[in-house]
This record gives sequence, C-alpha cells and structure tokens, in this order.
Amino acid sequence: EVQLVQSGAEVKKPGESLKISCKGSGYSFTSYWIGWVRQMPGKGLEWMGIIYPGDSDTRYSPSFQGQVTISADKSISTAYLQWSSLKASDTAMYYCARLLEYSSSFFFDYWGQGTLVTVSS
Amino acid sequence: SYVLTQPPSVSVAPGQTARITCGGNNIGSKSVHWYQQKPGQAPVLVVYDDSDRPSGIPERFSGSNSGNTATLTISRVEAGDEADYYCQVWDSSSDPFRVFGGGTKLTVL
Repeated sequence: EVQLVQSGAEVKKPGESLKISCKGSGYSFTSYWIGWVRQMPGKGLEWMGIIYPGDSDTRYSPSFQGQVTISADKSISTAYLQWSSLKASDTAMYYCARLLEYSSSFFFDYWGQGTLVTVSS
Repeated sequence: SYVLTQPPSVSVAPGQTARITCGGNNIGSKSVHWYQQKPGQAPVLVVYDDSDRPSGIPERFSGSNSGNTATLTISRVEAGDEADYYCQVWDSSSDPFRVFGGGTKLTVL
C-alpha cells in the first residue's frame, strides 16, 4: 500500500527556521516525483515545487522560488520542505503528494495527511 | 500562463446530478484531473485523464472534456459528496505550476 506520512504540526515564531518531512512507503520512492502543495486557511491548492528523489532534480513554482527549499534523502525515502526564515504569511497546511505520469500528463495520485504550520509571535 | 476557472460554488439536492465545470483555453486538448477535498482532510483524486476513475471511486463520479470546458459530473448526489472540488492540468508550455483551478464548493441541500 502506497503511503506518504508527514511530520506533525508545528508552531513557530517569525524569523525561525523549519524543516518538515514526508516519508514514502509501499512503492519505489526514487522512481516518482514528489510535490509540495500549500493551502492557506480557507483557500485553494497551490503547487510549490517538485523533486525527483532518484537524482534530486528539483523544480520550483516561480511564486516559491527562493522562499523555500525542497530536498530528499532517498536512503530513508523522505522528502523535505524547509524555510530559513518563516513569516506569518507562511501559516498554512502543507501537503506532499506523489506525482504520476500518465498519457503525457501528470497528476497527484497519493497524498500525505498534511502538516499544519503556524507562524505567530 | 495557463488559467483554470471554476465556479466558486454549486448547490444540488440529494439524488440529483451535480456538474462542476473547469474552463480553460482549449482545455479539450489537455488531460484534466479532479480532486475532492472534504473539510479537514487531504485531497483525494476522483477522476484522472478527463474521465478515468481511480480504484475505489464510485461510478457516480464521471468526467468529460471538450473545447474550452471540462466537467466533473456527480450522479445521485449524496450528503457525503459535499466537499471542495479542484480541477488540475499539466501545462508544460507555460508556467507549469499554475495548474490547479480555484476550487468549487459543492453544497448538498
């Protein structure tokens, strides 16, 4: 069974750093892209970026380039999303999801349970 | 960049048919995927490649795509179908990350 298990909720202060994780199991972790998706309170889904754990090829949405860092450790089947200096506007739910290529398109077929990040002074 | 437009809300009575649209320029030439997100839960894929259903998704969920509009159709709507629904495409010719529609809140009356 394919599973993506994310790390627990975080409460941080502005300016602090943070790294959240997403551990994959039940499939070949190095053979599928993993994406990160932000959902701000009461808002829709926003694609932040993707990583191919097999070779760590990473692509960022222009909206998030330079704001976050996506990485992966294939030895432990885990992808990461990190911030060096959080802002209150980073308060959101963050989802990781597996990206599946199908018929020259891509979609997210499995999702993590989400990690709630709250940034408040 | 490619833009997907969804109505903010759709309302339907139980047992009726709900149709949720996703508009985009020549979207019929792309593969469209749909996600259901219930309150407090992660999104779930309900339709991929315009009209295919993942294992475990009821046949009541179907999709179509032509011209400038893709449609998610939910037949015999149940109270448990009340959720937000998002369409998604992969458009590698432009900004590839603006690929989600804004979402539609389905209310079961």
